[in-house]
Amino acid sequence: EIVLTQSPGTLSLSPGERATLSCRASQSVSSSYLAWYQQKPGQAPRLLIYGASSRATGIPDRFSGSGSGTDFTLTISRLEPEDFAVYYCQQYGSSAYTFGQGTKLEIK
Amino acid sequence: EVQLVESGGGLVKPGGSLRLSCAASGFTFSSYSMNWVRQAPGKGLEWVSSISSSSSYIYYADSVKGRFTISRDNAKNSLYLQMNSLRAEDTAVYYCARAVDAICFDYWGQGTLVTVSS
Repeated sequence: EIVLTQSPGTLSLSPGERATLSCRASQSVSSSYLAWYQQKPGQAPRLLIYGASSRATGIPDRFSGSGSGTDFTLTISRLEPEDFAVYYCQQYGSSAYTFGQGTKLEIK
Repeated sequence: EVQLVESGGGLVKPGGSLRLSCAASGFTFSSYSMNWVRQAPGKGLEWVSSISSSSSYIYYADSVKGRFTISRDNAKNSLYLQMNSLRAEDTAVYYCARAVDAICFDYWGQGTLVTVSS
């Protein structure tokens, strides 16, 4: 099973700043099979990025994804107040899905 | 508008059973693989099970294999999860999620809470 490790666990930033979230896989992941989600308290997750770098429908262009192999990154170029949430990466492989443990993005 | 609405959660004793349902609307249900994903209180997301569009392919996480059964009824636009031999560690919000190209989950329900406790 591929294990995804996200870092940092918590990221404290101010609105307007740039956020860089990391997702590292225990073995190589096809870029096609790497996604990112945002989850706010009491809500279901929302798909942000699929295929490592493609934005889902309706996602603002301040969100971008990059990476390949075992290292992937979610970047939020300029934080808006509504971006403070928990972010998860997810991969698909061998007929199973795994999620990272999450990065909490909090207001500094 | 795509909608996924889960139901069937509740309080159950260890060793008990529960059946979750997910009613889908706003898309051609029979064309998509569907999944259950859970989230224990204060914890991260855990994929539970997947079923292909025609029920030909079914997969489970090791943590639920042999205890949970996923199924669907395309005529009723519904997804199910039969949960047997429930344990305290199965306590979680259970989400129904649509898979796009079987790679990631583009639509999620609001979730239904399952609590396993004596």
